[in-house]
Amino acid sequence: QVHLLESGPGLVKPSETLSLTCTVSGGSISTYYWSWIRQPPGKGLEWIGYVYHTGSTNYNPSLRSRVTVSVDTSMNQFSLKLSSVTAADTAVYYCARVVNTLSILYFDVWGRGTLVTVSS
Amino acid sequence: DIQMTQSPSSLSASVGDRVTITCRASQDIKNSLAWHQQKPGKAPKLLVYTASTLENGVPSRFSGSGSGTDYTLTISSLQPEDFATYFCQQSYSTPITFGQGTRLEIK
Repeated sequence: QVHLLESGPGLVKPSETLSLTCTVSGGSISTYYWSWIRQPPGKGLEWIGYVYHTGSTNYNPSLRSRVTVSVDTSMNQFSLKLSSVTAADTAVYYCARVVNTLSILYFDVWGRGTLVTVSS
Repeated sequence: DIQMTQSPSSLSASVGDRVTITCRASQDIKNSLAWHQQKPGKAPKLLVYTASTLENGVPSRFSGSGSGTDYTLTISSLQPEDFATYFCQQSYSTPITFGQGTRLEIK
C-alpha cells in the first residue's frame, strides 16, 4: 500500500522560499503523476500543480510564476518550492498521487498534510 | 477556471439516515468528477471517481451519480465513521478545482 509523507519547515519568513518534500513509500514513483494541494485555514482546497515521473509539469496559473514542482526518482520523492511567500501562503500542504484514467485525473492517495505558517 | 459549487456547506444527520451532497460545475465537466472524504488530522480519502465509480474498498453505501454540470454523492445509511467533511474535485480542465466542502455532523 502506497503511503505519502510530507516533510519540511513548519515556519517560513515572508519573502523567502517554502520548500517541501513528499516521500513515497510502498510503491514506485514511476508511471504516475504527483501533485501538491493546499488548504488555507478555514478555506477550501487549492490545487498547486503536478509533476510526471519524467519531470514534465503542469501548474495552477494563479501560482505559476512562483512554483516549481520536481521529482527525484532515485529517492522516490517529489518536491515543492514556492518563492516570495506571504501570509496568504499559510496553509496545510498536501501531497497526492494522481491517477490518469482516459485523461480524467483524480487523487487516489493523499498524505496527511503539513501546516506551513508564513510569519516573521 | 471551472467553479465548483457544493451544497450544503454543512449537514446534521443521524446514524441510518440517507444523505445527499451536491456539486454543480460552472460548465459541463463530462463526468470528470471525484469525491473525497476528509477527517481531522488524517489524509483525505478517495471515495468515487469518474462521477460514479466506487474506489476499491469503499463501502457500497456510498454512491456517486450525475452528468453535465450536476453531480451527487449519496450515503444510503449513515454509519458513525461517516461523519466527516466531503468535497468534490473536477479535472475536466486545469486548473483542477474543488468544491468548498460539506461538513457532515451528528444530529
